[in-house]
Amino acid sequence: NAGVTQTPKFRVLKTGQSMTLLCAQDMNHEYMYWYRQDPGMGLRLIHYSVGEGTTAKGEVPDGYNVSRLKKQNFLLGLESAAPSQTSVYFCASSYHSGGVYNEQFFGPGTRLTVL
Amino acid sequence: GESVGLHLPTLSVQEGDNSIINCAYSNSASDYFIWYKQESGKGPQFIIDIRSNMDKRQGQRVTVLLNKTVKHLSLQIAATQPGDSAVYFCAETPSPRMGGGADGLTFGKGTHLIIQP
Repeated sequence: NAGVTQTPKFRVLKTGQSMTLLCAQDMNHEYMYWYRQDPGMGLRLIHYSVGEGTTAKGEVPDGYNVSRLKKQNFLLGLESAAPSQTSVYFCASSYHSGGVYNEQFFGPGTRLTVL
Repeated sequence: GESVGLHLPTLSVQEGDNSIINCAYSNSASDYFIWYKQESGKGPQFIIDIRSNMDKRQGQRVTVLLNKTVKHLSLQIAATQPGDSAVYFCAETPSPRMGGGADGLTFGKGTHLIIQP
């Protein structure tokens, strides 16, 4: 199993440009998450999904949109990138077991710089 | 708002000694706690978790202790090795919502564990 993979690994954008980050998991997990990590900080939740076709806002959703058209993929979009969105982005997934929370498996991250 | 934090940003220990990393949380509704290890340039890696109905859980060389009275969580690493050098994060979440939905984890800022030879 590849686990959780993220594309691309690195990206540099100019202010106002748009891009989509792709997350894929091959563990058949129901739940998927997008986090951002800024220097010296823990991870903060942007958006999450509890199943195909459903998404919800996390702690810091502004400036981002997400889609979960397929169970194995979770896309994070930036419509108009801003320097404040310079960060490392992590995707994670977890399995559902009757309402009991389980560990999240993380991808390797995408380092995004907005100039 | 609710937060999860760590007491020390950096912890330096001698190789072979035991390490103790502490974490305080403020959300009394927190039900599930987890420790992650993050090496430079990599994503967080699961170490150990514990649910609120337990106060201790042991893994391979690691032990997590939960004190719900004072909202305190700790990670103990036995016989610390050079490969243990990383940033350690505690994270928590309340019980999943009705209907099976689940919020993401709330992370602390992390403790950088440095191993001295």
